[in-house]
Amino acid sequence: KAGVTQTPRYLIKTRGQQVTLSCSPISGHRSVSWYQQTPGQGLQFLFEYFSETQRNKGNFPGRFSGRQFSNSRSEMNVSTLELGDSALYLCASSPGRGSNYGYTFGSGTRLTVV
Amino acid sequence: SQKIEQNSEALNIQEGKTATLTCNYTNYSPAYLQWYRQDPGRGPVFLLLIRENEKEKRKERLKVTFDTTLKQSLFHITASQPADSATYLCAPPDMNRDDKIIFGKGTRLHILP
Repeated sequence: KAGVTQTPRYLIKTRGQQVTLSCSPISGHRSVSWYQQTPGQGLQFLFEYFSETQRNKGNFPGRFSGRQFSNSRSEMNVSTLELGDSALYLCASSPGRGSNYGYTFGSGTRLTVV
Repeated sequence: SQKIEQNSEALNIQEGKTATLTCNYTNYSPAYLQWYRQDPGRGPVFLLLIRENEKEKRKERLKVTFDTTLKQSLFHITASQPADSATYLCAPPDMNRDDKIIFGKGTRLHILP
């Protein structure tokens, strides 16, 4: 079956712009989580969506937002981009929530802010 | 606050030997812990999940232990191969939300031919 699909794969944006990243989970997976990965900080949790509702949120400013659609596809948006937002953004899906499931990750979107 | 520590230095192991990676956690007792493998430029790949009532879990050449007294999980790869070279991430749940997974910074493993 198809894996987790993230688009676009690479993105270059200018400071102050906004960006929208997309994630299509594995068919049947209802939970989608987003992470930011940088060399210095590792994988940092952004948020998790389940059944179109945000269930968990990490410690990121309000410029970072997301949503989930009825088909479980998810988008995340970053407004007023800063240089420090340059990172690999990873989406992960799982069939449900909690300790019974491992995550399946996409290949990520590499965002560069210049 | 919780802390997850993995050896930040790369680990070099001779092919055929057993590689052992360590994950230490402080200030809480997670009910479970996951391990992932990540290759450069790719997303992490789920390997194993071990629960607090399981001392050990195996999958092919992989073995994970979970010592709740020492607050430590060990990840072993037996008969290591160059293809096992990657970064390995320890991932317990958040101390306040056990449905939210957080990740250690990972240990880079090099298997030398």
